Amino acid sequence: GAVVSQHPSWVICKSGTSVKIECRSLDFQATTMFWYRQFPKKSLMLMATSNEGSKATYEQGVEKDKFLINHASLTLSTLTVTSAHPEDSSFYICSAIPGEANQPQHFGDGTRLSIL
Amino acid sequence: AQTVTQSQPEMSVQEAETVTLSCTYDTSESDYYLFWYKQPPSRQMILVIRQEAYKQQNATENRFSVNFQKAAKSFSLKISDSQLGDAAMYFCAYRDTGTASKLTFGTGTRLQVTL
Repeated sequence: GAVVSQHPSWVICKSGTSVKIECRSLDFQATTMFWYRQFPKKSLMLMATSNEGSKATYEQGVEKDKFLINHASLTLSTLTVTSAHPEDSSFYICSAIPGEANQPQHFGDGTRLSIL
Repeated sequence: AQTVTQSQPEMSVQEAETVTLSCTYDTSESDYYLFWYKQPPSRQMILVIRQEAYKQQNATENRFSVNFQKAAKSFSLKISDSQLGDAAMYFCAYRDTGTASKLTFGTGTRLQVTL
């Protein structure tokens, strides 16, 4: 149980395009989802907390206009990297918490984004 | 703000031996959760073990156990009978008790397992 699916797993696109990454909780409802960014050989850096039906909460230093987050349902959150540039290339991971307060976060398999 | 520190960037252990990964954290809360996550080369984040701060008993999951020292704010991971498949990045993480609380990760320890 508690499976989180992230799609796509790998995307390559040209500079200036927008890329959408989906994060789905397959067998549970997730009021809250999280988006992380991970640079090579580094730790996970929280970008934003995604709340169903409301605006995401962004961490300091994360551009909300660059990284658009939508959490339209209890099982789906999306991260759109707008007008992507090579410096946006990274590994992006989402996670979700089942409804119970004491449950750990369950992670998607991540998306490797490469901007040419 | 909470912080998590992993002072060992890399560790190495021989197969079948035991290794301990260190983690310290800083918080003003009295109740919280601590986690160890494993990230193999596939980059999937796998939960290894978790500890609730109000529980004095150290958590154990098969070959994985923790040494939780609340007063010292220390949360080390012991891997017994190490296997080649244990080779990965290991991240220590902290979380408050609120439902929507975010995880704060340490910088990670890369564990190598040698024959």
